[in-house]
Amino acid sequence: AQSVTQPDIHITVSEGASLELRCNYSYGATPYLFWYVQSPGQGLQLLLKYFSGDTLVQGIKGFEAEFKRSQSSFNLRKPSVHWSDAAEYFCAVGGDGQNFVFGPGTRLSVLP
Amino acid sequence: DTAVSQTPKYLVTQMGNDKSIKCEQNLGHDTMYWYKQDSKKFLKIMFSYNNKELIINETVPNRFSPKSPDKAHLNLHINSLELGDSAVYFCASSESGSYNEKLFFGSGTQLSVL
Repeated sequence: AQSVTQPDIHITVSEGASLELRCNYSYGATPYLFWYVQSPGQGLQLLLKYFSGDTLVQGIKGFEAEFKRSQSSFNLRKPSVHWSDAAEYFCAVGGDGQNFVFGPGTRLSVLP
Repeated sequence: DTAVSQTPKYLVTQMGNDKSIKCEQNLGHDTMYWYKQDSKKFLKIMFSYNNKELIINETVPNRFSPKSPDKAHLNLHINSLELGDSAVYFCASSESGSYNEKLFFGSGTQLSVL
């Protein structure tokens, strides 16, 4: 069965700084990979997804993620963080015939 | 219009009571889900329905019973509530249930069992 780890429980960055959130997955075949964001009191919203092709994918709100098969990683990046990016971020993996599995989440705090 | 709406947003109740959470989607999707998010933010699937048919039923106590009167609605009924049921419950939908599809989430129902 697939699994997802997000090594960082909580990250704090200053507004304007760059951001990288880590995600590692375990899956036997080519995975479907997702990043979702959850703002306080809200449901999850899809930021971006990867299925195949170009390993660098662009998403909404200026986010991008890079799939590295050799490292089983799908890290999320943003060059300049805004205060409104403070939220919980979830990496998820899916595959043929398999449920989505969400990682434990990384809470992002942004300092003014 | 809200794509996936669930009610109520907050639910506070005593142990042993029975309660229901309702969910509706206006996206025309075939598949709907219930997820449970615990106090550590861990998100786990409970059920999924495709066009009113139960597809996924994870290891969930049978006190939890989903009901789908039509493909736009998936309600969750919980009998004999326990303290450990306290969590945020999210309804979600996707177009056909394929695992490469985007999930659309409701804003959650925070259940507190006292």
